[in-house]
Amino acid sequence: GAGVSQSPSNKVTEKGKDVELRCDPISGHTALYWYRQRLGQGLEFLIYFQGNSAPDKSGLPSDRFSAERTGESVSTLTIQRTQQEDSAVYLCASSSLYNSPLHFGNGTRLTVT
Amino acid sequence: AQKITQTQPGMFVQEKEAVTLDCTYDTSDPSYGLFWYKQPSSGEMIFLIYQGSYDQQNATEGRYSLNFQKARKSANLVISASQLGDSAMYFCAMREGLGSGGSNYKLTFGKGTLLTVNP
Repeated sequence: GAGVSQSPSNKVTEKGKDVELRCDPISGHTALYWYRQRLGQGLEFLIYFQGNSAPDKSGLPSDRFSAERTGESVSTLTIQRTQQEDSAVYLCASSSLYNSPLHFGNGTRLTVT
Repeated sequence: AQKITQTQPGMFVQEKEAVTLDCTYDTSDPSYGLFWYKQPSSGEMIFLIYQGSYDQQNATEGRYSLNFQKARKSANLVISASQLGDSAMYFCAMREGLGSGGSNYKLTFGKGTLLTVNP
């Protein structure tokens, strides 16, 4: 099995444009997470999906951020009207059981110019 | 209040020596899990070790062990016989609510410790 796959690996966009980041979790993993990591910083929780439960959106920094997940598969994180402070690496992770580790993708490095 | 505190922004250790990376946590939940991850300069997040709050024994995985002191709410990572390849950022993380029957198992991360292994 393949690991968590994220695309694109790098994205440069102009301020004010919308971007969409994609995450393909490990097959069979019911939980999917998005984190943001600014340069030299820790991981900031954004949103969490678990099966058919309502997602935990408590980490989304503003209403410009949204995410969707289709069943237990692909997730997309959308950032509208990007700002320079949105520049960061966006990490996606998935896991199976509650005591299982998160498996991370390699991230999408977003640069807003 | 921060749920995960890593008080050491940076640590240095000589090759082949042991090093302890500190992590304290804050939760009122009796059922939780603690994780350590390694992030080399390449950026990937590598899972190292897991400790459940009800585990009787300290977790060990090869050269990694977790010094779990529940009453003090600390979960320090011990790396024995350090290698040059151990140089990386190390993150402590916690997952709460494992026994609540709920379905929210998000992981909260600390700010990390940058470990440098000197030859």
